[in-house]
Amino acid sequence: NAGVTQTPKFRILKIGQSMTLQCTQDMNHNYMYWYRQDPGMGLKLIYYSVGAGITDKGEVPNGYNVSRSTTEDFPLRLELAAPSQTSVYFCASSPTAGLAVRNEQFFGPGTRLTVL
Amino acid sequence: RKEVEQDPGPFNVPEGATVAFNCTYSNSASQSFFWYRQDCRKEPKLLMSVYSSGNEDGRFTAQLNRASQYISLLIRDSKLSDSATYLCVVNFEDSGNTPLVFGKGTRLSVIA
Repeated sequence: NAGVTQTPKFRILKIGQSMTLQCTQDMNHNYMYWYRQDPGMGLKLIYYSVGAGITDKGEVPNGYNVSRSTTEDFPLRLELAAPSQTSVYFCASSPTAGLAVRNEQFFGPGTRLTVL
Repeated sequence: RKEVEQDPGPFNVPEGATVAFNCTYSNSASQSFFWYRQDCRKEPKLLMSVYSSGNEDGRFTAQLNRASQYISLLIRDSKLSDSATYLCVVNFEDSGNTPLVFGKGTRLSVIA
């Protein structure tokens, strides 16, 4: 299994441009997540999904959109890039989440995005 | 409010030293706890789960104190390869499906 894969690894955007960060997992996990990590800061949840067709906002959803049309894919869309969105973006997945199961989240290698 | 607090460090320790990290969390109803490790410019990876009775994995020992709402990670006989940022992670699950909440991490540098 490849696990969680993300593309691209690096990207530089100009203010106002849009792009989609791709995330795919081949572990048949129901739960998928998008985080951003700013230098010296913790991971902040942007959006998450508990299964195909279902998405929910996390702590910092403004400026982003997601979709979950399949179990495997969970793309993150930036419509109007702003310098405040310069960050490292991590996608993650887990088999389930919540009270009943102590489940590991598996992370992708990250996408480093710079908005100038 | 769901918060996880950690001492950011850095902790600079010589090889062979014992080092301990603490983490506090805001909600007494929290159900599950983890330590993740993040190497520089890499993704986080699960180091160990934290169980109520405490648990050990080789040189690593995790403890949970529910009454005081803190979690600890003890690393014995530190190796150079232990240099990383250690993230305290809490599942504040009380109902529904709530994602994990990550602390900002504690940076450890093990020096030869």
